[in-house]
Amino acid sequence: DQQVKQNSPSLSVQEGRISILNCDYTNSMFDYFLWYKKYPAEGPTFLISISSIKDKNEDGRFTVFLNKSAKHLSLHIVPSQPGDSAVYFCAAWDGSQGNLIFGKGTKLSVKP
Amino acid sequence: DAGVIQSPRHEVTEMGQEVTLRCKPISGHDYLFWYRQTMMRGLELLIYFNNNVPIDDSGMPEDRFSAKMPNASFSTLKIQPSEPRDSAVYFCASSLGPRMNTEAFFGQGTRLTVV
Repeated sequence: DQQVKQNSPSLSVQEGRISILNCDYTNSMFDYFLWYKKYPAEGPTFLISISSIKDKNEDGRFTVFLNKSAKHLSLHIVPSQPGDSAVYFCAAWDGSQGNLIFGKGTKLSVKP
Repeated sequence: DAGVIQSPRHEVTEMGQEVTLRCKPISGHDYLFWYRQTMMRGLELLIYFNNNVPIDDSGMPEDRFSAKMPNASFSTLKIQPSEPRDSAVYFCASSLGPRMNTEAFFGQGTRLTVV
């Protein structure tokens, strides 16, 4: 059973608009969450993270929101740019263990 | 540091052959992860090591898969015998571990094709 779920395999957004990528998790022991970005033929690269003691973390155009009660997090990209087109993976870390679990990813396409 | 280094970048092999994937983690990182990426499962954690010791290999699909970390700077993932359904991109990642404000760094992956 998937512990980290990204239910939207793809998302298409117009340049300049907001992109919202969603992620749900089931394990209440997860206490640190990360978003990774992946271009074709490259390894995933870290984008932004949030610990469970916060509900928001912002870094430039990227903001991650965490709703612990709903076991839900989201990544907002504002404004979206064509260079943001990539696959975005949500990941969760159980602080008591070392297994870093990823979702299936969401392919974002930002159209000019 | 050059980052996480994986080799080879591409591997094509015939069904039944042994395949060995290699990984050099970032120096000083005490966690090492092996992932497999497929369309169906996304990034699937196969196994991870802490201080060279395998901690959780529950993601390893079958006994045909094995992983070792003989020292802090090298790890291998071996498939013997390989099958066409093993075709995927295999990633290695390393990290300081599940601590605040840390992340895992990925290699560029090995694309494995078993024919």
